[in-house]
Amino acid sequence: GESVGLHLPTLSVQEGDNSIINCAYSNSASDYFIWYKQESGKGPQFIIDIRSNMDKRQGQRVTVLLNKTVKHLSLQIAATQPGDSAVYFCAENDGGSNYKLTFGKGTLLTVNP
Amino acid sequence: GAGVSQSPSNKVTEKGKDVELRCDPISGHTALYWYRQSLGQGLEFLIYFQGNSAPDKSGLPSDRFSAERTGGSVSTLTIQRTQQEDSAVYLCASSPRLGAAKNIQYFGAGTRLSVL
Repeated sequence: GESVGLHLPTLSVQEGDNSIINCAYSNSASDYFIWYKQESGKGPQFIIDIRSNMDKRQGQRVTVLLNKTVKHLSLQIAATQPGDSAVYFCAENDGGSNYKLTFGKGTLLTVNP
Repeated sequence: GAGVSQSPSNKVTEKGKDVELRCDPISGHTALYWYRQSLGQGLEFLIYFQGNSAPDKSGLPSDRFSAERTGGSVSTLTIQRTQQEDSAVYLCASSPRLGAAKNIQYFGAGTRLSVL
């Protein structure tokens, strides 16, 4: 069936480096994507979103890139800090049911001081 | 303002007992969602409420699971005759119906359910 998945389940980076977290999706009808950050013991926290009519969107220290040709989504974190250590989920909305999000399994980002 | 509030934060129960989990959405948010997150896994959709419309129950794993939303605000997720495989974190989220943020779901901290 349709699903959202991640290339790398874990990612370890040095403080100050840039991080790139990848996500593949298979539903070509998906038109909206969200990245969430989940710290231990907490609920997912919205980071940034992007619609399918865009290929790049920037926030504070984060950039999301969308490549619809290969159905790939990435989250770039600039100057990664220890506070960025968390599990990162991508989620998609297929545009049909305009409320239901399908989540990937997540990538654990560990930032080493 | 206050975020999504869930209670209890932790619940330990014995197999076969019923449990009720509560969610207080963000004030003014008309949409409310329940998800289940097993250890090291993503979020599994359970049920969705939008205003006075009939809820979407398509994600409920069995008839032991039910949810209600009274007065368009607080929601309760009930699991009857709990089984060990029900052990997970149950997350609630809410979102506004209209506007640019309508697709963004804001999550509570979850209820960690442990069935012994």
